[in-house]
Amino acid sequence: DTGVSQDPRHKITKRGQNVTFRCDPISEHNRLYWYRQTLGQGPEFLTYFQNEAQLEKSRLLSDRFSAERPKGSFSTLEIQRTEQGDSAMYLCASSLGQGSGNTIYFGEGSWLTVV
Amino acid sequence: AQSVSQHNHHVILSEAASLELGCNYSYGGTVNLFWYVQYPGQHLQLLLKYFSGDPLVKGIKGFEAEFIKSKFSFNLRKPSVQWSDTAEYFCAVNTNAGKSTFGDGTTLTVKP
Repeated sequence: DTGVSQDPRHKITKRGQNVTFRCDPISEHNRLYWYRQTLGQGPEFLTYFQNEAQLEKSRLLSDRFSAERPKGSFSTLEIQRTEQGDSAMYLCASSLGQGSGNTIYFGEGSWLTVV
Repeated sequence: AQSVSQHNHHVILSEAASLELGCNYSYGGTVNLFWYVQYPGQHLQLLLKYFSGDPLVKGIKGFEAEFIKSKFSFNLRKPSVQWSDTAEYFCAVNTNAGKSTFGDGTTLTVKP
């Protein structure tokens, strides 16, 4: 399968712990996005990369969140000192090219439960 | 900033009924519009998209959507739904920045 892959698929962590999610985009895609989705809502934009450059961060991305894409391929999203409100599905997506003509392809998401 | 509004939170239909899901967006510039579907336990999949040209767009599985610029709308339609269409449907708008803004989704339940 050559789609967007995310790891882990599920993570349960205690409040205050750090968690890291990994995303491997479709290989030739230069844009990579992180979204968050909670029950009853659509995906909310967090941040995106063009190659290794992080071009935009949402106000939703507090200082406890950090995302990297060091070599312009895979990306990691780290959440430090997790809070119960961080419980959500974290979605990664990728696309080819720039501008509004992109089709964004999503991974299956990483479920985070903070207890 | 752009926003997307989906009017119907939950729609329940019988098989063979016709479907129309509403989507309105708020953005003054050029947009590209998408409908995604999320089947139970699966990831978001693209149903159809509008970039330019014919405002009536046909997608997979018999779905179509019509872009009406004057109404800022991009409603999704299907003439005859099947039980397998039970899923959550998301409308999204994409602007020059390349990122997509999603509506809150409509859950469609089709009764056999």
